[in-house]
Amino acid sequence: DQQVKQNSPSLSVQEGRISILNCDYTNSMFDYFLWYKKYPAEGPTFLISISSIKDKNEDGRFTVFLNKSAKHLSLHIVPSQPGDSAVYFCAASGAGGTSYGKLTFGQGTILTVHP
Amino acid sequence: NAGVMQNPRHLVRRRGQEARLRCSPMKGHSHVYWYRQLPEEGLKFMVYLQKENIIDESGMPKERFSAEFPKEGPSILRIQQVVRGDSAAYFCASSPPEKPPNYGYTFGSGTRLTVV
Repeated sequence: DQQVKQNSPSLSVQEGRISILNCDYTNSMFDYFLWYKKYPAEGPTFLISISSIKDKNEDGRFTVFLNKSAKHLSLHIVPSQPGDSAVYFCAASGAGGTSYGKLTFGQGTILTVHP
Repeated sequence: NAGVMQNPRHLVRRRGQEARLRCSPMKGHSHVYWYRQLPEEGLKFMVYLQKENIIDESGMPKERFSAEFPKEGPSILRIQQVVRGDSAAYFCASSPPEKPPNYGYTFGSGTRLTVV
């Protein structure tokens, strides 16, 4: 039961352009969403997050958009840089209780930014 | 200010042996989480621990797997009688007590377990 889905296994973008990574979820109890970036042979690194009470959160070149009615979120990177090339994971967590500590991850999207 | 330290980075075990994976959280962090990443898949939650307590073990296989986070020392993920299907990358993460854990925690570099 894949509750968080990233349907695009890979994305290729030219340097300077916008990268848009998408994520869909099925569990309406999720109320906090996060994006992680992962390089080979390293652990995931936290990028940006958004609470379900918001529809947008921005941090430098990274913006996350949340559409609760569609159960969809996206990560925009602009402008894209070659150093952004990595695997990007979308993750979600529920509200309260023990589910607070549990993140449910998508399968990941491999982003390649070409110079 | 060291990050989350996991050791060993690579571990090779024969089928039937035991695997012990260690995780030292960041200084001041009292919450520890273990995740497993199988090839070509995302990370799957296994267990959430605080010092001397298991908070959520809903992702732990029912048999052969156990985890602890003692008052002193690192957190240990123990896999008994390993099988080839246990081959994966195991990641540990930690977070401080004053911050809700779902606000994004810090991961270690992982232990890559290979069962031959």
